Amino acid sequence: SQTIHQWPATLVQPVGSPLSLECTVEGTSNPNLYWYRQAAGRGLQLLFYSVGIGQISSEVPQNLSASRPQDRQFILSSKKLLLSDSGFYLCAWSTTLTGYINTEAFFGQGTRLTVV
Amino acid sequence: AQKVTQAQTEISVVEKEDVTLDCVYETRDTTYYLFWYKQPPSGELVFLIRRNSFDEQNEISGRYSWNFQKSTSSFNFTITASQVVDSAVYFCALTRDDKIIFGKGTRLHILP
Repeated sequence: SQTIHQWPATLVQPVGSPLSLECTVEGTSNPNLYWYRQAAGRGLQLLFYSVGIGQISSEVPQNLSASRPQDRQFILSSKKLLLSDSGFYLCAWSTTLTGYINTEAFFGQGTRLTVV
Repeated sequence: AQKVTQAQTEISVVEKEDVTLDCVYETRDTTYYLFWYKQPPSGELVFLIRRNSFDEQNEISGRYSWNFQKSTSSFNFTITASQVVDSAVYFCALTRDDKIIFGKGTRLHILP
């Protein structure tokens, strides 16, 4: 069965420090991968998605970046965190049916990031 | 524009009452999927259901039921005989190209 691992679960970082959140998926190949952010009490904002190794699409301009160095690994990074980067970060994966349409996404347990 | 609207920000009902969560979507695609997710206080998103745009048959799973109507672009979710464990934030979502976009969610409080 497929599983998704995301770590760390919680993180407190000072303003201006770097960030690296990692997500790995097991039990499937060539998944679509996503990073979402959820601000406190708000909805889910899609940050990045990837349909293959090295292929990253950004939804929102910001000081975050994403990379996909391996098929089932997705990394969210920042060189210098801002206070506004605080939030709940969720990694997710999905597959594509009929060649062009996504199935549902399955989510990791999330990383609660507090920038101080 | 393609988007998902959940107009109900927060709902409170007393346990055992029925409650319906509304979801209205906009899409230019003829083939798409709609989803519902539950986010309990722990934060993890739990997938509940997927509905294909070509299948308007309503679905029932235990106390949960979903009503999909393409004519009104709605995909509503009803919980029958609600329980305290149903308290959570519920999200409706829609596929768009390679992405899955979410509504802002409805926070549901089930009062004992």
